[in-house]
Amino acid sequence: DQQVKQNSPSLSVQEGRISILNCDYTNSMFDYFLWYKKYPAEGPTFLISISSIKDKNEDGRFTVFLNKSAKHLSLHIVPSQPGDSAVYFCAASGQGGSEKLVFGKGTKLTVNP
Amino acid sequence: EPEVTQTPSHQVTQMGQEVILRCVPISNHLYFYWYRQILGQKVEFLVSFYNNEISEKSEIFDDQFSVERPDGSNFTLKIRSTKLEDSAMYFCASSGGHTDTQYFGPGTRLTVL
Repeated sequence: DQQVKQNSPSLSVQEGRISILNCDYTNSMFDYFLWYKKYPAEGPTFLISISSIKDKNEDGRFTVFLNKSAKHLSLHIVPSQPGDSAVYFCAASGQGGSEKLVFGKGTKLTVNP
Repeated sequence: EPEVTQTPSHQVTQMGQEVILRCVPISNHLYFYWYRQILGQKVEFLVSFYNNEISEKSEIFDDQFSVERPDGSNFTLKIRSTKLEDSAMYFCASSGGHTDTQYFGPGTRLTVL
């Protein structure tokens, strides 16, 4: 049951360049989407979110884009830094943030100096 | 900055034994969750808890599992009779309100031998 899919298990970019992480979902009842970052031996750390009423949300170097018709969202990191190297999880929920989160499998981002 | 804490960081137990995993959510949060991640797999929702009762539970959360908020600060997950397949990272999360983001603890690694 893959309601949230992250099809790229890994991504490698050069420091200073843009990182684009992608996520697709199948459940049209999802209306709140989040990105979490996870380092080894730590819990997921909230990064940025977007409600289905928006198509873009920006926070510093991080921007999330939502395309509802395509059921696709992406996270852009500009410029990428070596400290951004981590596993990035896309997650979705039915209403706001209090409902259960459905996670993708994650994309391991490596930013090379 | 307030954070979710979990103890222990690593728990090793024998199959059939009971384990209790402990969490201290962020102090003014009202919604509490347990998730788990089996090695190499997705983070999966187990249960959500609000107003001293379970709001939602997944198929994984069978009769072997229970949750409790024994006092004003702790939130516990009990597994009555552990199985080998319960070996996973268990993450506690909390959120402040119905539309608020969920914040995760660092996790407890449970190893069932």
